[in-house]
Formats: sequence, C-alpha cells, structure tokens
Amino acid sequence: GEDVEQSLFLSVREGDSSVINCTYTDSSSTYLYWYKQEPGAGLQLLTYIFSNMDMKQDQRLTVLLNKKDKHLSLRIADTQTGDSAIYFCAETLYNQGGKLIFGQGTELSVKP
Amino acid sequence: EAQVTQNPRYLITVTGKKLTVTCSQNMNHEYMSWYRQDPGLGLRQIYYSMNVEVTDKGDVPEGYKVSRKEKRNFPLILESPSPNQTSLYFCASSPRLGWGYTFGSGTRLTVV
Repeated sequence: GEDVEQSLFLSVREGDSSVINCTYTDSSSTYLYWYKQEPGAGLQLLTYIFSNMDMKQDQRLTVLLNKKDKHLSLRIADTQTGDSAIYFCAETLYNQGGKLIFGQGTELSVKP
Repeated sequence: EAQVTQNPRYLITVTGKKLTVTCSQNMNHEYMSWYRQDPGLGLRQIYYSMNVEVTDKGDVPEGYKVSRKEKRNFPLILESPSPNQTSLYFCASSPRLGWGYTFGSGTRLTVV
C-alpha cells in the first residue's frame, strides 16, 4: 500500500544541522517533495528531487535519496529559529491521478 | 504574484447549511486539487481536476462536490455540512500531473 512515514518531533540548537528522515513505499514515484508549514500558514514547497537522483543541494538544504531503501532525508545546515515549523515529506502517485501522499509531518523546534 | 487564493480563510457554519470554498490560481495551471488536513490523519486528497470539465474523486470525497468550469477556478462545495467536516482545507495547483504543486493558505472550517 501507499504510506509515507516520518518521525514526529526533532529538536536542535540554533546553528546546528537538522536532519529530517522519511520513508516511502511506492517505488514508482518519480517526484519526492519536502514541504514546510508554519503555524497558521499553508504548505510551502521547499525542494524536490527526481527519483533518478541521489542528492540535491539548494543553499542550506540538502536532500538525499536512497532508492533501494526508499529513504529520503532533508538536511538543513546552520538551522535558525525561523526554520521552526512542520516539515512534510510527500510522494506523487501517478497511477492514482497524481495525488500527493504526505507523511504525518516532523515538527522541528529550534532552540536559541 | 503567482499564487493560489482561497476564500474564506476562516468559516464557522451550522450543520446542513450549504457552503462553497473558492479557489483560484493565476498561473494557468491545468491540474488542481483539494486536500483536508486533520490532526493524526495528515493531509488527504478530496477531489482533483486534470483540466476544465475533468474532475475525479480522491481518497475522501464523501460529502463534497467540485466543479471546474474555468481553468483558474476550482470551488469546493459542501451541500450539507456536518461536524465531521470540520477541518483545515487546502487547494493546490500544478502545471502538470504530479509536478510542482503550489498550495493556497488554507481555509479553516468549523461546522457546529
């Protein structure tokens, strides 16, 4: 079946790196995404990775993809208090109308 | 500014009183979709549309209707709202199936 799993909470100190992990089940997914949700706000697309890539770097963000283990991670370098939010991993299911399957979200808390 | 606009942002209504949540995008996107977000259940797709006059059910369509008469608009209709439809609703659009979803800011609906 389709399922995306993430740990629920992560707490780091300002300036440290944060690593948020995600596992997915659909090996046919072509695009995998990371979204950020701040309190009272919508979902902001942070970054994405194609399934034929192993890594993607975008400023402070690094996405690593292990297709064999169906494991996706998001690393935030030099984490700031403004990075405190809920982070969602998502995959696209093309055989089901292109819907996004979201993980439960990881709440990142950054302490000064 | 490229965006997905939902209205209203907040709505409190009574059981059985028909309501419509509007969604409009100014990016000429073909694909639009509605999701609801509930604690412990994450984000689930309600309906999606691949183009004008083409709509299909997502995972939780019961109690909802949609229409896509124009490319830019994708309203969500609750003909007879019930308390179990109390939720945070998001509209999303993308230029093509499974790619680069942009989300609206959300509509928090309470049905009493």
